Amino acid sequence: ETGVTQTPRHLVMGMTNKKSLKCEQHLGHNAMYWYKQSAKKPLELMFVYNFKEQTENNSVPSRFSPECPNSSHLFLHLHTLQPEDSALYLCASRPSGGSTDTQYFGPGTRLTVL
Amino acid sequence: SQKIEQNSEALNIQEGKTATLTCNYTNYSPAYLQWYRQDPGRGPVFLLLIRENEKEKRKERLKVTFDTTLKQSLFHITASQPADSATYLCALPTSGGSYIPTFGRGTSLIVHP
Repeated sequence: ETGVTQTPRHLVMGMTNKKSLKCEQHLGHNAMYWYKQSAKKPLELMFVYNFKEQTENNSVPSRFSPECPNSSHLFLHLHTLQPEDSALYLCASRPSGGSTDTQYFGPGTRLTVL
Repeated sequence: SQKIEQNSEALNIQEGKTATLTCNYTNYSPAYLQWYRQDPGRGPVFLLLIRENEKEKRKERLKVTFDTTLKQSLFHITASQPADSATYLCALPTSGGSYIPTFGRGTSLIVHP
């Protein structure tokens, strides 16, 4: 295990539902990331948080709403999603103060939007 | 932005052989390059990082080379095993010191017993 956990591991939701994805890291890192991975596509960055502050929003639709209450926890709130949002959502963390962007990923949440 | 090319076709090899995967990039030369392993339905796992001033890096059965002239990295797995079957991703830093990596699509490796 990498020290990054994600819950739930699988989620099926309708387009009118509201759900949240949770990520927790036990590595003492201060940077956390959300990625979307669709079939046959590269990892797509969604959001970056550094010391609880959002530093990157990669033009993500507002139906995805991130929250970072502290450096160990990251949430992705979902509402009125579309079927094309079905994908593997990955959380990652990075050590602060390092000279590289090496990512420590969680196991991901497989999301299916009906 | 950086464009990364990895062979989209799966690489099939026999157990015991050396697997060689390729990562090509097209724009600026990065300060370092990374390789990750991803199993189906799981998050990528960091394997190796090689810096621009390093020609080669080794870790157990893994070897990575970095040729900034060719804008290419090669990833080798020697004495391959069926357990090495996975998708291998190449990643380069996005320019500007933002600590945001750009990932390739990955190449699927299948090692047959």
